[in-house]
Amino acid sequence: GQNIDQPTEMTATEGAIVQINCTYQTSGFNGLFWYQQHAGEAPTFLSYNVLDGLEEKGRFSSFLSRSKGYSYLLLKELQMKDSASYLCAVRDGDYKLSFGAGTTVTVRA
Amino acid sequence: GAVVSQHPSRVICKSGTSVKIECRSLDFQATTMFWYRQFPKQSLMLMATSNEGSKATYEQGVEKDKFLINHASLTLSTLTVTSAHPEDSSFYICSAREREVEAFFGQGTRLTVV
Repeated sequence: GQNIDQPTEMTATEGAIVQINCTYQTSGFNGLFWYQQHAGEAPTFLSYNVLDGLEEKGRFSSFLSRSKGYSYLLLKELQMKDSASYLCAVRDGDYKLSFGAGTTVTVRA
Repeated sequence: GAVVSQHPSRVICKSGTSVKIECRSLDFQATTMFWYRQFPKQSLMLMATSNEGSKATYEQGVEKDKFLINHASLTLSTLTVTSAHPEDSSFYICSAREREVEAFFGQGTRLTVV
């Protein structure tokens, strides 16, 4: 199985940068995903890492270190609409996703 | 991007009745679909993996006779909650995999059993 840890809540100011960390212990690794989920809605895909390093996608970047079992999602130039829950998910060899509990990010003006 | 449509978005049913939830991949063929359940302020928990043309694979602790899954075609999987009880009230979400990188989620179904 997978054990995935991420902080419960984070608060940041509009225009700032926030980094959400995720650590995992896994019995099989086939990629790490970050999703954004607004209350009452389904998750939307943000990023995917399978190799070590940084993947940049506009205001969002994601980093992976497989040897450390560690990833982070970096949100730059925060906007009010970025207030949401951010889910770290690890995929195993059967393409099953195991999700962390999610980090609720609140962006303040 | 690929679209996954889930229906209904909300359903209220009486205790003891059954509810069917549909998950369709609209512009791609999905040999594998996944069903998740999410309780308030908790993360998504995988319930089962649905494979076209074969029996679903259920996660530990999920009753296969209560949560019936049918994946009759490459674009449709259904989840039927049988003899629903108030504790089955939850947010049910499906996902379908098209490519290696992404899993696309349906809009989710809010089930309330009264």
